[in-house]
Amino acid sequence: EIVLTQSPATLSVSPGERATVSCRASQSVSGRYFAWYQQTPGQAPRLLIYDASKRATGIPDRFSGSGSGTDFTLTISRLEPEDFAVYYCQQYGSSPRTFGPGTKVEI
Amino acid sequence: QVQLVESGGGLVKPGGSLKLSCAVSGFTFRDYYMSWIRQAPGRGLEWVSFISGSGTIVWSADSVKGRFTISRDNADNSLYLQMNSLRAEDTAVYYCARERGGINDYWGQGTLVTVSS
Repeated sequence: EIVLTQSPATLSVSPGERATVSCRASQSVSGRYFAWYQQTPGQAPRLLIYDASKRATGIPDRFSGSGSGTDFTLTISRLEPEDFAVYYCQQYGSSPRTFGPGTKVEI
Repeated sequence: QVQLVESGGGLVKPGGSLKLSCAVSGFTFRDYYMSWIRQAPGRGLEWVSFISGSGTIVWSADSVKGRFTISRDNADNSLYLQMNSLRAEDTAVYYCARERGGINDYWGQGTLVTVSS
């Protein structure tokens, strides 16, 4: 199975700053089948980005995704208070679909 | 609007069984694959199983294969997860989620399963 590694585990930033979360796959992800989810405490995950760089419905344009092959990045251009959460990457190009361990973005 | 509501979680002893349900509304249920995804307390996400719209294609993670069975009732807009031979490591919040091309675009709020003696 494809193992996903996220870095950093925790990211401390201030509102208005830029945040970058990285995800590395143990082998190439076919077809750029890569997604990012956001989870706030006590809530279900929410889809942010799919196909590596496409924003899901209703997601603000301060969220962007990039990458291909084994290296993918989620960027939040200007952090809003509601963006402090845990972010998970996921690959769905190979079975089983796998998630990364998560990156906590905190103030 | 799209809604997914899980039920059926609770406390069960190791080796026991539990059946989770997910009631769906707001979209044409039979047109979509559906997934179960779990999250152990304080841990990350683990995809458990998915099922095709017709129910003829199913796939499960190795960690639950042979113990968990996913199914659906398209007439009733419901998704199920029958969990047998439960272990402590199955303790988690279980989410049902709609699938679209491999991604999960809508999620329920989850139901907690605790396996403990």
